[in-house]
Amino acid sequence: DGGITQSPKYLFRKEGQNVTLSCEQNLNHDAMYWYRQDPGQGLRLIYYSQIVNDFQKGDIAEGYSVSREKKESFPLTVTSAQKNPTAFYLCASSGPDPMVYGYTFGSGTRLTVV
Amino acid sequence: KNQVEQSPQSLIILEGKNCTLQCNYTVSPFSNLRWYKQDTGRGPVSLTIMTFSENTKSNGRYTATLDADTKQSSLHITASQLSDSASYICVVSEGYSSASKIIFGSGTRLSIRP
Repeated sequence: DGGITQSPKYLFRKEGQNVTLSCEQNLNHDAMYWYRQDPGQGLRLIYYSQIVNDFQKGDIAEGYSVSREKKESFPLTVTSAQKNPTAFYLCASSGPDPMVYGYTFGSGTRLTVV
Repeated sequence: KNQVEQSPQSLIILEGKNCTLQCNYTVSPFSNLRWYKQDTGRGPVSLTIMTFSENTKSNGRYTATLDADTKQSSLHITASQLSDSASYICVVSEGYSSASKIIFGSGTRLSIRP
């Protein structure tokens, strides 16, 4: 079955620590995205990539970094510079136009600072 | 500022009843609008897409309407089932659907009681 896989499902971060969230897709989609979801707010775009070895900042990129070395993979690193990282993180992929084709979302990673 | 506002924030209804969720947007120029369903702890799944020229679109027991003049959309759920308990998210794109031009509403949390 084609789909998009995020891991881990739950992640705990200590103060000052970097953590990396994994996102893998086998849908042959060129475009991949990272969103952050907080209670009572709409999804906010962190980073997106429309092609391998290229990515763009979204609305809330500060304190995050990404890489896109393979078409299938788009890992997100939450750095110590992100002061409020506790949130639900969603990875998605899509065809050329995400509204026309629709996003395919992963099941999310819930990150908690301890 | 382009915005997408949904109402109510939360709703509880009895199984078998109908309900209507609202989405008002100020996005301009408008391209298209999608409704997503998000189960707790999961990623959103697309229900419908509507373009500027469409007024109504159905997907089983879900019917979406769009009034592009008043910039309002609604999602009507008929004969609700326990599995309809979820958050419903309205998503609107501005012009060409680059990820940076897609705006998510904060969602309506629907609970179906037996």
